[in-house]
Order: sequence, then structure tokens, then C-alpha cells
Amino acid sequence: AQSVAQPEDQVNVAEGNPLTVKCTYSVSGNPYLFWYVQYPNRGLQFLLKYITGDNLVKGSYGFEAEFNKSQTSFHLKKPSALVSDSALYFCAVRDDRENTGFQKLVFGTGTRLLVSP
Amino acid sequence: DTEVTQTPKHLVMGMTNKKSLKCEQHMGHRAMYWYKQKAKKPPELMFVYSYEKLSINESVPSRFSPECPNSSLLNLHLHALQPEDSALYLCASSQDGVTLYEQYFGPGTRLTVT
Repeated sequence: AQSVAQPEDQVNVAEGNPLTVKCTYSVSGNPYLFWYVQYPNRGLQFLLKYITGDNLVKGSYGFEAEFNKSQTSFHLKKPSALVSDSALYFCAVRDDRENTGFQKLVFGTGTRLLVSP
Repeated sequence: DTEVTQTPKHLVMGMTNKKSLKCEQHMGHRAMYWYKQKAKKPPELMFVYSYEKLSINESVPSRFSPECPNSSLLNLHLHALQPEDSALYLCASSQDGVTLYEQYFGPGTRLTVT
């Protein structure tokens, strides 16, 4: 089964500084990776995905992610953090559910990003 | 329109009540999902409907009963719930469930079982 790991429960960064939220993956075959963000008491919002192609993926709200096959990582980045970026971030991988022909997302445990003014 | 709507936003119910959660999307998506999310935890998949047929049931207790009346609507019927079922229930949709790309999530229903 496919899985992702988010090693940090929380990341603290000052506004205006670059931010990185880490994600590593374990898959058989080609990985299909995603980042979602969740603001308090809200659903998840899709940020970006890696399917194939360029290792640097650009997404919504100025976020980007770098796919690194040798390090099995898919870290989320932003050059300059905003206080409004404070939220819960989930990395996810697509998993082919055995014997069903269907696919589902497997989420990491989440990383809370706190951007201070 | 990339919106998934869910009603109600909040629901408080007793353990003997019967209630329903509703989800709607008008993006022409043919796969719809129910997730359960506890505080500060990732969403846990409960059910997947693809082309209005139940495709995945992640061993969810029978007190949760999903229904997909048409391609735009998804319901979750609740009966005889337990306090530990209190959580945020999220609905999501995607183009289809066979080849999954991004999912679009609704804002959720905050359920409290007393």
C-alpha cells in the first residue's frame, strides 16, 4: 500500500520568510502526490498535485512543491509566508485499492503551519 | 463552479435520533466520497460512490448508511450513533473514482452526539 509521512507536527515561521512543509512517500510504481490545506472548521482545499513531468509543481496561493525521486520527498514550499497561510497542511498519495479497480487518497498525519506577524 | 456544499453545518443529536447529512455538487463529477475527521487528524475514508453505485465501504458500522439519489447528491443517514462518532464529516467529489486526480471537498458538517 502507498503511504506518506509528514515528520513535523508543527512548523513555525515568521511572516515574509520562506516556508517548507515536509512530506516523504513510500510507493510501488509511479507516485501521484497531492497537497491540501485545511483552515479551521473548514473542508480541505486542493493546492497542487504531481502526476508526472516537471519536478517543480506550482499551485494555488503562491505555493509550490518539489518532487525528489532520489529522496522520495514532495516538500511544500512558499518563498514568502503570510499570516493567512496559517493552517493545517496534508500531503496525500493516490492508492490503488486492491481488487476493486478504484483509487483513493491516503493522507499524511498533517502539519500545522503557524506564521507569526 | 468548483463548490461542494454540505448541510447542515452543525448537528447535535442524541443516541436514539435519526438524522441525515446532505452533500451536493454541480461540477459534473461522477465520484463522491464521505470522510470522517477527528480533531487534528487526517480524514478517514468511509464510502465512495462511483456513477451512483457504492464502490468502496471502508468497514463502516451499519449505523451509518450512505445514499446517492443521483449524480449530484450524496446523503449520509445516521441512526443510533455513539458519542465517539462525534466528528467533522466531509463530503468530496472527483471526476470519477476509477482514475483519481484531485478531490474537491465541502466545508463539512460538525456532528456532536450526546
